[in-house]
Amino acid sequence: AQSVSQHNHHVILSEAASLELGCNYSYGGTVNLFWYVQYPGQHLQLLLKYFSGDPLVKGIKGFEAEFIKSKFSFNLRKPSVQWSDTAEYFCAVNAFDFGNEKLTFGTGTRLTIIP
Amino acid sequence: GAVVSQHPSWVICKSGTSVKIECRSLDFQATTMFWYRQFPKQSLMLMATSNEGSKATYEQGVEKDKFLINHASLTLSTLTVTSAHPEDSSFYICSARDPPTPSTDTQYFGPGTRLTVL
Repeated sequence: AQSVSQHNHHVILSEAASLELGCNYSYGGTVNLFWYVQYPGQHLQLLLKYFSGDPLVKGIKGFEAEFIKSKFSFNLRKPSVQWSDTAEYFCAVNAFDFGNEKLTFGTGTRLTIIP
Repeated sequence: GAVVSQHPSWVICKSGTSVKIECRSLDFQATTMFWYRQFPKQSLMLMATSNEGSKATYEQGVEKDKFLINHASLTLSTLTVTSAHPEDSSFYICSARDPPTPSTDTQYFGPGTRLTVL
Protein backbone atom coordinates (compact mmCIF):
# COMPACT_ATOMS: atom_id res chain seq x y z
CA ALA A 1 0.00 0.00 0.00
CA GLN A 2 1.15 3.50 -0.70
CA SER A 3 1.95 6.01 2.02
CA VAL A 4 2.69 9.71 1.98
CA SER A 5 4.98 11.61 4.33
CA GLN A 6 4.99 15.32 4.95
CA HIS A 7 7.79 16.01 7.36
CA ASN A 8 7.03 19.65 8.01
CA HIS A 9 4.06 19.83 10.33
CA HIS A 10 4.04 23.59 10.84
CA VAL A 11 6.01 26.12 8.87
CA ILE A 12 6.14 29.80 9.77
CA LEU A 13 7.49 32.29 7.27
CA SER A 14 7.55 35.99 6.72
CA GLU A 15 5.97 37.49 3.65
CA ALA A 16 8.19 37.39 0.56
CA ALA A 17 10.15 34.43 1.88
CA SER A 18 10.62 31.39 -0.34
CA LEU A 19 8.73 28.24 0.44
CA GLU A 20 9.44 24.58 0.00
CA LEU A 21 7.23 21.90 1.54
CA GLY A 22 8.43 18.35 1.43
CA CYS A 23 6.42 15.36 0.28
CA ASN A 24 7.67 11.81 -0.06
CA TYR A 25 5.70 8.77 -0.99
CA SER A 26 6.26 5.08 -0.95
CA TYR A 27 4.98 3.13 -3.92
CA GLY A 28 6.96 1.37 -6.58
CA GLY A 29 4.56 1.75 -9.46
CA THR A 30 3.13 4.59 -11.48
CA VAL A 31 1.54 7.35 -9.48
CA ASN A 32 -0.47 10.49 -9.90
CA LEU A 33 0.59 13.23 -7.51
CA PHE A 34 -1.38 16.13 -6.11
CA TRP A 35 -1.08 19.09 -3.82
CA TYR A 36 -4.26 20.35 -2.24
CA VAL A 37 -4.69 23.46 -0.11
CA GLN A 38 -7.24 24.10 2.60
CA TYR A 39 -7.64 27.75 3.53
CA PRO A 40 -9.09 28.49 6.97
CA GLY A 41 -12.77 27.65 6.98
CA GLN A 42 -12.77 26.49 3.39
CA HIS A 43 -12.75 23.17 1.59
CA LEU A 44 -9.86 21.43 -0.08
CA GLN A 45 -8.82 22.97 -3.37
CA LEU A 46 -6.53 21.52 -5.98
CA LEU A 47 -3.26 23.46 -6.28
CA LEU A 48 -1.56 21.35 -8.89
CA LYS A 49 -1.18 17.81 -10.14
CA TYR A 50 1.29 15.61 -11.92
CA PHE A 51 0.29 12.71 -14.15
CA SER A 52 3.13 12.44 -16.67
CA GLY A 53 5.48 14.48 -18.83
CA ASP A 54 7.45 17.44 -17.55
CA PRO A 55 8.28 16.69 -13.90
CA LEU A 56 8.09 20.39 -13.04
CA VAL A 57 4.44 21.33 -12.82
CA LYS A 58 2.98 24.74 -12.27
CA GLY A 59 -0.21 25.31 -10.41
CA ILE A 60 -2.40 28.15 -9.35
CA LYS A 61 -1.32 31.16 -7.31
CA GLY A 62 2.35 30.88 -8.27
CA PHE A 63 2.93 27.44 -6.81
CA GLU A 64 4.97 24.76 -8.50
CA ALA A 65 6.10 21.26 -7.66
CA GLU A 66 8.82 19.00 -8.93
CA PHE A 67 8.46 15.25 -9.25
CA ILE A 68 11.76 13.49 -8.64
CA LYS A 69 11.10 9.84 -9.30
CA SER A 70 14.43 8.62 -7.94
CA LYS A 71 13.72 10.29 -4.63
CA PHE A 72 10.00 9.46 -4.52
CA SER A 73 9.42 13.12 -3.86
CA PHE A 74 7.00 15.80 -4.97
CA ASN A 75 7.98 18.97 -3.14
CA LEU A 76 5.90 22.11 -3.34
CA ARG A 77 7.59 25.45 -3.91
CA LYS A 78 6.77 29.11 -4.17
CA PRO A 79 9.46 31.76 -4.61
CA SER A 80 7.71 34.49 -2.63
CA VAL A 81 4.86 33.78 -0.25
CA GLN A 82 2.04 36.09 0.68
CA TRP A 83 0.00 36.43 3.83
CA SER A 84 -2.93 34.94 1.90
CA ASP A 85 -1.01 31.69 1.50
CA THR A 86 -1.66 30.89 5.15
CA ALA A 87 -3.40 27.52 4.97
CA GLU A 88 -3.04 23.79 5.41
CA TYR A 89 -1.30 22.02 2.54
CA PHE A 90 -1.82 18.35 1.75
CA CYS A 91 0.18 16.17 -0.56
CA ALA A 92 -1.70 13.22 -2.02
CA VAL A 93 -0.82 10.21 -4.13
CA ASN A 94 -3.05 8.10 -6.31
CA ALA A 95 -1.62 4.81 -7.43
CA PHE A 96 -3.97 3.63 -10.12
CA ASP A 97 -2.11 0.50 -11.17
CA PHE A 98 -3.86 -2.79 -10.53
CA GLY A 99 -7.16 -0.97 -10.29
CA ASN A 100 -6.20 0.82 -7.10
CA GLU A 101 -7.85 4.19 -7.21
CA LYS A 102 -7.25 5.16 -3.64
CA LEU A 103 -6.07 8.68 -2.99
CA THR A 104 -3.73 8.68 -0.02
CA PHE A 105 -3.07 11.92 1.81
CA GLY A 106 -0.12 13.07 3.83
CA THR A 107 -0.70 14.43 7.31
CA GLY A 108 -0.62 17.98 6.07
CA THR A 109 1.60 21.00 6.67
CA ARG A 110 0.24 24.06 8.31
CA LEU A 111 1.72 27.18 6.77
CA THR A 112 1.57 30.45 8.66
CA ILE A 113 2.71 33.60 6.91
CA ILE A 114 3.59 36.53 9.10
CA PRO A 115 2.88 39.93 7.53
CA GLY B 1 -16.44 23.95 -13.07
CA ALA B 2 -16.08 20.80 -10.96
CA VAL B 3 -18.02 22.02 -7.95
CA VAL B 4 -19.04 19.64 -5.20
CA SER B 5 -21.51 20.57 -2.50
CA GLN B 6 -22.38 18.96 0.80
CA HIS B 7 -25.43 19.30 2.98
CA PRO B 8 -25.68 19.99 5.81
CA SER B 9 -22.51 21.90 6.60
CA TRP B 10 -22.87 21.05 10.25
CA VAL B 11 -25.19 18.92 12.33
CA ILE B 12 -25.64 18.21 16.01
CA CYS B 13 -27.52 15.11 17.04
CA LYS B 14 -28.24 12.99 20.06
CA SER B 15 -26.52 9.71 20.64
CA GLY B 16 -28.41 6.83 19.05
CA THR B 17 -29.95 8.81 16.22
CA SER B 18 -29.07 8.59 12.53
CA VAL B 19 -27.74 11.40 10.39
CA LYS B 20 -27.74 11.66 6.61
CA ILE B 21 -25.16 13.71 4.73
CA GLU B 22 -25.59 14.53 1.06
CA CYS B 23 -22.86 15.03 -1.50
CA ARG B 24 -23.67 16.49 -4.89
CA SER B 25 -21.63 17.19 -7.99
CA LEU B 26 -23.15 20.40 -9.31
CA ASP B 27 -21.78 20.78 -12.81
CA PHE B 28 -20.58 17.36 -13.79
CA GLN B 29 -21.60 13.74 -13.52
CA ALA B 30 -19.67 11.60 -11.10
CA THR B 31 -19.86 7.86 -11.42
CA THR B 32 -17.52 7.62 -8.46
CA MET B 33 -17.57 9.62 -5.26
CA PHE B 34 -15.44 9.21 -2.18
CA TRP B 35 -16.14 9.70 1.51
CA TYR B 36 -13.40 10.81 3.88
CA ARG B 37 -13.17 11.49 7.56
CA GLN B 38 -10.89 14.14 8.99
CA PHE B 39 -9.98 14.28 12.64
CA PRO B 40 -8.76 17.54 14.18
CA LYS B 41 -5.27 18.43 13.02
CA GLN B 42 -5.02 15.19 11.07
CA SER B 43 -5.19 14.18 7.48
CA LEU B 44 -8.10 12.86 5.50
CA MET B 45 -8.76 9.16 5.81
CA LEU B 46 -10.69 7.44 3.05
CA MET B 47 -13.74 5.68 4.42
CA ALA B 48 -15.34 4.34 1.28
CA THR B 49 -15.64 4.61 -2.46
CA SER B 50 -19.14 5.14 -3.72
CA ASN B 51 -20.04 3.88 -7.19
CA GLU B 52 -23.25 4.88 -8.93
CA GLY B 53 -25.63 1.99 -9.17
CA SER B 54 -23.57 -0.45 -7.17
CA LYS B 55 -22.46 -1.17 -3.63
CA ALA B 56 -19.86 1.00 -2.01
CA THR B 57 -16.37 -0.27 -1.33
CA TYR B 58 -15.33 0.28 2.26
CA GLU B 59 -11.83 0.67 3.59
CA GLN B 60 -10.53 -1.74 6.17
CA GLY B 61 -11.83 -0.95 9.61
CA VAL B 62 -14.86 1.03 8.45
CA GLU B 63 -18.16 -0.50 9.57
CA LYS B 64 -20.45 -0.97 6.61
CA ASP B 65 -23.57 -1.20 8.72
CA LYS B 66 -22.75 1.97 10.58
CA PHE B 67 -21.81 4.14 7.63
CA LEU B 68 -24.40 3.47 4.95
CA ILE B 69 -23.59 4.85 1.52
CA ASN B 70 -26.04 5.22 -1.32
CA HIS B 71 -25.10 6.51 -4.76
CA ALA B 72 -28.44 6.56 -6.48
CA SER B 73 -27.65 9.00 -9.27
CA LEU B 74 -24.70 10.40 -11.16
CA THR B 75 -24.78 13.59 -9.12
CA LEU B 76 -25.73 12.44 -5.63
CA SER B 77 -24.19 10.23 -2.99
CA THR B 78 -25.39 10.03 0.60
CA LEU B 79 -23.66 8.92 3.77
CA THR B 80 -25.87 7.90 6.66
CA VAL B 81 -24.29 7.55 10.06
CA THR B 82 -26.57 5.10 11.85
CA SER B 83 -26.97 5.00 15.62
CA ALA B 84 -24.44 7.74 16.03
CA HIS B 85 -22.24 7.89 19.13
CA PRO B 86 -19.94 10.63 20.40
CA GLU B 87 -16.92 8.88 18.91
CA ASP B 88 -18.47 9.39 15.46
CA SER B 89 -18.13 13.13 15.89
CA SER B 90 -15.85 14.27 13.13
CA PHE B 91 -15.55 16.21 9.91
CA TYR B 92 -16.88 14.23 6.96
CA ILE B 93 -15.78 15.22 3.49
CA CYS B 94 -16.87 13.89 0.14
CA SER B 95 -15.21 14.18 -3.21
CA ALA B 96 -16.15 13.40 -6.77
CA ARG B 97 -13.94 12.38 -9.59
CA ASP B 98 -13.89 14.29 -12.86
CA PRO B 99 -13.37 12.94 -15.45
CA PRO B 100 -14.49 9.45 -14.60
CA THR B 101 -11.40 7.63 -15.82
CA PRO B 102 -8.82 6.66 -13.19
CA SER B 103 -5.82 7.41 -15.37
CA THR B 104 -6.52 11.12 -15.25
CA ASP B 105 -8.12 11.08 -11.86
CA THR B 106 -8.67 14.39 -10.19
CA GLN B 107 -10.89 14.53 -7.17
CA TYR B 108 -12.82 17.65 -6.31
CA PHE B 109 -13.83 18.07 -2.73
CA GLY B 110 -16.94 19.25 -1.00
CA PRO B 111 -16.81 21.74 1.87
CA GLY B 112 -17.34 19.06 4.49
CA THR B 113 -19.91 18.36 7.17
CA ARG B 114 -19.12 18.81 10.85
CA LEU B 115 -20.96 16.15 12.86
CA THR B 116 -21.24 16.50 16.61
CA VAL B 117 -22.91 13.71 18.53
CA LEU B 118 -23.98 14.57 22.05
